[in-house]
Amino acid sequence: GAVVSQHPSWVICKSGTSVKIECRSLDFQATTMFWYRQFPKQSLMLMATSNEGSKATYEQGVEKDKFLINHASLTLSTLTVTSAHPEDSSFYICSAFGTGVSNEKLFFGSGTQLSVL
Amino acid sequence: KQEVTQIPAALSVPEGENLVLNCSFTDSAIYNLQWFRQDPGKGLTSLLLIQSSQREQTSGRLNASLDKSSGRSTLYIAASQPGDSATYLCAVTQGGSEKLVFGKGTKLTVNP
Repeated sequence: GAVVSQHPSWVICKSGTSVKIECRSLDFQATTMFWYRQFPKQSLMLMATSNEGSKATYEQGVEKDKFLINHASLTLSTLTVTSAHPEDSSFYICSAFGTGVSNEKLFFGSGTQLSVL
Repeated sequence: KQEVTQIPAALSVPEGENLVLNCSFTDSAIYNLQWFRQDPGKGLTSLLLIQSSQREQTSGRLNASLDKSSGRSTLYIAASQPGDSATYLCAVTQGGSEKLVFGKGTKLTVNP
């Protein structure tokens, strides 16, 4: 089945630093990627949708200047948390939708647990 | 705005028991509904996907039903095993979008 690789799986950083999370589709072309985050005991919430070669579309309440998303190729999307603060500590997960796989399913990465000290 | 609710939030059962997880959604105009499994600190695994025109889907010991008009879905797990212990998430999409709206999940523990 389709594989989405997400790295790193966990990261601890100091407040004020930036963190980049990568999401790669290994065996298909991801025309669209989605970024979600999940706070403890809360549901996964969509942050933004990115289409290859286009600017990401952010959900209401998500700061586009803080959460930079780049989808420069059909197999790679990155999420950069700029000037991270403790309140950004969360579980971030990407999903991909694309050609060459079932058009009805999204495939998820394994997630990144971010802890900001 | 679509809202997805899952009941119960947590469930603990002895091995071998059959169980039902519930999911409800406020807007019945969905495109499809999916059940996922999430293991601690890991990604999501899609278990079953039901199109809005379908009533149920089965995969092994899992059976998911959908009653679109009433905004409900159930996930039935037969003969539960300790390896089934995980958080089960229900999510819906609406026409023209692949955006998923998730419930908070049901944390299932199957005791040996």
